[in-house]
Amino acid sequence: AQSVTQLDSHVSVSEGTPVLLRCNYSSSYSPSLFWYVQHPNKGLQLLLKYTSAATLVKGINGFEAEFKKSETSFHLTKPSAHMSDAAEYFCVVRPPRETSYGKLTFGQGTILTVHP
Amino acid sequence: DGGITQSPKYLFRKEGQNVTLSCEQNLNHDAMYWYRQDPGQGLRLIYYSQIVNDFQKGDIAEGYSVSREKKESFPLTVTSAQKNPTAFYLCASAVTSGGLEDTQYFGPGTRLTVL
Repeated sequence: AQSVTQLDSHVSVSEGTPVLLRCNYSSSYSPSLFWYVQHPNKGLQLLLKYTSAATLVKGINGFEAEFKKSETSFHLTKPSAHMSDAAEYFCVVRPPRETSYGKLTFGQGTILTVHP
Repeated sequence: DGGITQSPKYLFRKEGQNVTLSCEQNLNHDAMYWYRQDPGQGLRLIYYSQIVNDFQKGDIAEGYSVSREKKESFPLTVTSAQKNPTAFYLCASAVTSGGLEDTQYFGPGTRLTVL
């Protein structure tokens, strides 16, 4: 069984300040983890993914996430927020590819607001 | 350009009507998926297909039907049996290798409203 919890439903930052979106997961195996971003009335865009290689994963638009097995966390960070980062972010967990079809489990989402 | 297209972007339906949402991909992906998204909730899987002429129910398949006659296309029909069909519907696809699926990529979505 697997689950994912996004610890904040809303995060508000000022432009130019750091962003931290928190995600904890629960899994009975070593999962694959993803962050997706969704702008209003749009589809989901892949930001980054962790698949048991390097624990620090770099994604698009300056985002990165660190896989911490001991803390079962996969927090998303960005050093300096931009207005265009305002969107909803989803943390997603999936069983390893080696277990055949991997059902995605989505977090509830975190809405990021960026103030000028 | 390669990608996933969904049409229409907005769809309005009267109660008791069936409607079909289109999803097409030119990424040569084997696997395709339909999700439903409601406000304040994550995505929930309706149906998925790993290969042409085969599909499986997801977590909330009741009131929905699909077909997979072509690799590129995976249409979703929302039937009158679906009790609360108003939602944002997202299609996704993924490459598979040896029966194992990779990262899922999403289309732009269709917003369905029942009047």
